[in-house]
Amino acid sequence: QQQVKQSPQSLIVQKGGISIINCAYENTAFDYFPWYQQFPGKGPALLIAIRPDVSEKKEGRFTISFNKSAKQFSLHIMDSQPGDSATYFCAASYRAGGTSYGKLTFGQGTILTVHP
Amino acid sequence: DVKVTQSSRYLVKRTGEKVFLECVQDMDHENMFWYRQDPGLGLRLIYFSYDVKMKEKGDIPEGYSVSREKKERFSLILESASTNQTSMYLCASRPGQGRFRTEAFFGQGTRLTVV
Repeated sequence: QQQVKQSPQSLIVQKGGISIINCAYENTAFDYFPWYQQFPGKGPALLIAIRPDVSEKKEGRFTISFNKSAKQFSLHIMDSQPGDSATYFCAASYRAGGTSYGKLTFGQGTILTVHP
Repeated sequence: DVKVTQSSRYLVKRTGEKVFLECVQDMDHENMFWYRQDPGLGLRLIYFSYDVKMKEKGDIPEGYSVSREKKERFSLILESASTNQTSMYLCASRPGQGRFRTEAFFGQGTRLTVV
């Protein structure tokens, strides 16, 4: 069972456009929501993360929007560049307490292609 | 720099073989993970360890076991490899002991092919 659902599976954007990737979760025990970026031949690496008491977090061209009541969060990439072409994963982690709090659950991934 | 090192980038094994995938991290992290990555399915957690000799099943533990005898090393074992275990395997580590909302660091992955 996939506890974090991600869409779309693939996305093609023109250079300079906005890329939007969406994720939804069911488990209200999650309280940390990171996004990871993976280039071919590499392991995923942390891109940006948000806590549920914040509705938006921005780092450069990357923004996470978080809607706690809808249990949804999304990644926006402004002014998308060919170098942003990669696979993006949303993830969720449990709140502290118990042994499961270290566990990270990932979405299905989105392959982003930015055309020049 | 945090380093998570997986022992092999590519492996080809025969059906029925016992396969060991090794992972070592150098940041004294309490939590270690094994994921498999398949197109369209994302990263699925196989096993998770939150301390030496402690483990917890992930979402797809069937056909796998793990070993964590030392804090820095986490091994994934395929008891009897099958073709449906052909996949990319990713090891990760993350701080624990009250430090949540922390970054996980991944190895480069092991591409396992079972023939």
